[in-house]
Amino acid sequence: AQKVTQAQTEISVVEKEDVTLDCVYETRDTTYYLFWYKQPPSGELVFLIRRNSFDEQNEISGRYSWNFQKSTSSFNFTITASQVVDSAVYFCALSEAIGANNLFFGTGTRLTVIP
Amino acid sequence: NAGVTQTPKFRVLKTGQSMTLLCAQDMNHEYMYWYRQDPGMGLRLIHYSVGEGTTAKGEVPDGYNVSRLKKQNFLLGLESAAPSQTSVYFCASSSTLPGTEAFFGQGTRLTVV
Repeated sequence: AQKVTQAQTEISVVEKEDVTLDCVYETRDTTYYLFWYKQPPSGELVFLIRRNSFDEQNEISGRYSWNFQKSTSSFNFTITASQVVDSAVYFCALSEAIGANNLFFGTGTRLTVIP
Repeated sequence: NAGVTQTPKFRVLKTGQSMTLLCAQDMNHEYMYWYRQDPGMGLRLIHYSVGEGTTAKGEVPDGYNVSRLKKQNFLLGLESAAPSQTSVYFCASSSTLPGTEAFFGQGTRLTVV
């Protein structure tokens, strides 16, 4: 069975602080894909990144970076020098190779950046 | 560049009423999905479709029906609404390429009183 756990329900940081959002996943498949989505206060879901299970290389995109570790089944997301515009709910999700790209979501982490 | 469009955006229903949520995508995607989002529970898959004329159950299908008569449209129906169906509903679509990201609509906030 698939499961995505985001243990941090809510995080508050002061602007310019760094923050890491944790994501731990479970799957029996050897081929799978991991995602992060952002949901700002306006409510839409914005795709941030995708990783496949064969690519453990960490990725950096501006102030965002992702750390994928198969050994610990984790796919953590770090925001460097946080800004007020980063305030949102962030979802980690998993899809498996067999299936219709169905996404299994974690429960989300609400990040509040205080100016 | 519309992407995925959901109508309506807001709706209030009385218990027992029926309604249909419409989702339209203009990206020629084969796969389409309906999710519901509830506080503290993330998004959960209700039903999905792998192509025109096909539908399949997701994690929480009870109380809902769907239809995919045209490739670009995916309809979600509530035959007899219940307060437990108060939620935010998201439609999404994706290509058939494994692991590709899903594109989401703006969501429909449904309240059943």
